[in-house]
Amino acid sequence: DILMTQSPSSLSASVGDRVTITCQASQDISNHLNWYQQKPGKAPNLLIYDASNLETGVPSTFGGSGSGTDFSFTISSLQPEDIGTYYCQQYHHLPPTFGPGTKLDIK
Amino acid sequence: EVQLVESGGGLVQRGGSLRLSCVVSGFTFSSYSMNWVRQAPGKGLEWVSCISKSSSYINYANSVKGRSTISRDNAKNSLYLQMHNLRVEDTAVYYCARNLGEAAAGVYKFDYWGQGTLVTVSS
Repeated sequence: DILMTQSPSSLSASVGDRVTITCQASQDISNHLNWYQQKPGKAPNLLIYDASNLETGVPSTFGGSGSGTDFSFTISSLQPEDIGTYYCQQYHHLPPTFGPGTKLDIK
Repeated sequence: EVQLVESGGGLVQRGGSLRLSCVVSGFTFSSYSMNWVRQAPGKGLEWVSCISKSSSYINYANSVKGRSTISRDNAKNSLYLQMHNLRVEDTAVYYCARNLGEAAAGVYKFDYWGQGTLVTVSS
């Protein structure tokens, strides 16, 4: 299985900060990488698909980039409602696998 | 409005069986591949199984292969996961998730999720 790693595992930032999360795959996954946000007690929500495409209805403050094995997810200006855990997920190789998550909260 | 509603979770003894259901509304169910994804308490996400829109393609994670059967009834807008020989490590919230793309083509993007149903396996 493809191993996905994320950094950092947790992050505390201030409102208005630019936040970046990185995700690394154990093998080349092209751009077959998605990002999800999960708020406490809720189901995950798809934010970014195919590394850089914003899902419909997702604010443009969210963004993604990367290809191959190294990817990043960015929030350009952190808002209080952005708290939660963020997961990357690859689907280039079966089975689809998720990263361990990055827990984001407000400082 | 797209809705996915899971049910069927509960407390079961090790070695027991459960059948999870997911009823959907707000979209044409027969046009989408569907998945089950689980999350153990306090842990990350694990893909469990997928089924194509016509049920012609099915796949399982190794952790449940041979113990689980995914199925769907397009006439009832329903997805199912039959689980047998349950283990303590199967304890998790089980989500059904719509696939944005065709699973048979290797595309797995989960664009809508239910609220989940909790399965607890006791020893």
